[in-house]
This record gives sequence, structure tokens and C-alpha cells, in this order.
Amino acid sequence: NAGVIQTPRHKVTGKGQEATLWCEPISGHSAVFWYRQTIVQGLEFLTYFRNQAPIDDSGMPKERFSAQMPNQSHSTLKIQSTQPQDSAVYLCASSLAQSQNTLYFGAGTRLSVL
Amino acid sequence: GDSVTQTEGLVTLTEGLPVMLNCTYQTAYSTFLFWYVQHLNEAPKLLLKSSTDNKRTEHQGFHATLHKSSSSFHLQKSSAQLSDSALYYCALSDHGGSGNKLIFGTGTLLSVKP
Repeated sequence: NAGVIQTPRHKVTGKGQEATLWCEPISGHSAVFWYRQTIVQGLEFLTYFRNQAPIDDSGMPKERFSAQMPNQSHSTLKIQSTQPQDSAVYLCASSLAQSQNTLYFGAGTRLSVL
Repeated sequence: GDSVTQTEGLVTLTEGLPVMLNCTYQTAYSTFLFWYVQHLNEAPKLLLKSSTDNKRTEHQGFHATLHKSSSSFHLQKSSAQLSDSALYYCALSDHGGSGNKLIFGTGTLLSVKP
């Protein structure tokens, strides 16, 4: 079991460019979460899929952020027109769908917007 | 809405001294609390969790007791080790929303010195 895999580990974009972050959940896990990690805010919830269906995107900045889960083996987080304030570590996590199950996190993608 | 408060951003201790990291929460629903630990350049991982009022939960030398009367779930250890240096997050399960989404605090960085 390789755990949750996130690629790339580091991404540098220029202001206004697009960034796409990838996540491969643990095989058999049907819930996938995206969080943003910063020193000031800690771990902020962005969005959540269960069995590939979007369940809750209440944490997503509406205008430039989008997430998809086209199949059970990967999810993407896309940020359009990146801004310096988007610089953060973006963490993906997966879990079994039953309530209160442990979230298993990937190592994250560090996004730097210059 | 649900929230988690960790009042200390940084705790610096000398090896061998006791550890206590504070966590309080607000929720209108049933309560399931977690502590996650993140070592440098690693993914956050579950340290311990509890939903039972006034019952001590232990793992890897750390312990915490959920006190619903004071809405607290403080993390403790009797004697800090250098390897305990890490970022610690307290989290609350969001029962009122979409099931097992976790709401995290801002985190406490524990630095243990010789």
C-alpha cells in the first residue's frame, strides 16, 4: 500500500497561470478530501468527494478553484489565474466512507505563486 | 458553525518535561475529536481519537481525555522526547454537514530541546 500519492510535490507558477494538482487515493477508499495548509490558517477544508460524487465544496474559493474526481483512482484540484495568496501546501486525504474513519493524508503539493 | 481552537502556536520544552497541548471546540452536534501529528516533510497522521466523555485515550505515549462539560480535548504526555518535535493538529468531525469531514484547528508546533 503506497498510501495517498500527490503529484507534483512542488509546483511554481507565475501570477495568472493555471495550476493542476493530482491526487491518487488509497485503493478501496471511497472518500477523498482536499485541504489547504498554511502557517496562519492551519488545515483548511476545501472540498470532499464520496464515491466520486462531490459532497461538500463549502471551503472552495468559488471563482478560481475547481475539483474533479473522474474515476475512483484519482482526483484533481485546479486553480485558475493563480495569485500569490494561493501559495500553500495542498493536502489530499482519503478514507473509508463510514463516519469517523481515519483520514490518510498524502505528503502534499507545495504551490508557490511568484 | 463548528470550530476548533488551539491557543498555542508554538510550545518549546526541554526533553523530559511534561507536554500539554490545549484544544477546545464548539459544535452543535455529537462529538468526535482527533489529534493528528505532522513531522517535518511528512504527511499528517492520526495520533488518537475519542468520542467517549471522560474516558482517557492513549497512543504512543500520548493521552487525551474528552471532556464535554468544558468542550476540551487536551493532548498530554508525561515526558517529552526529542522525536516528539512536530506540528500537532486537533480536529473535530463535522456531523452536522457531510459526514466525516474534519475541521482542524490552526495547529501547535511542539519543539523539544535537549
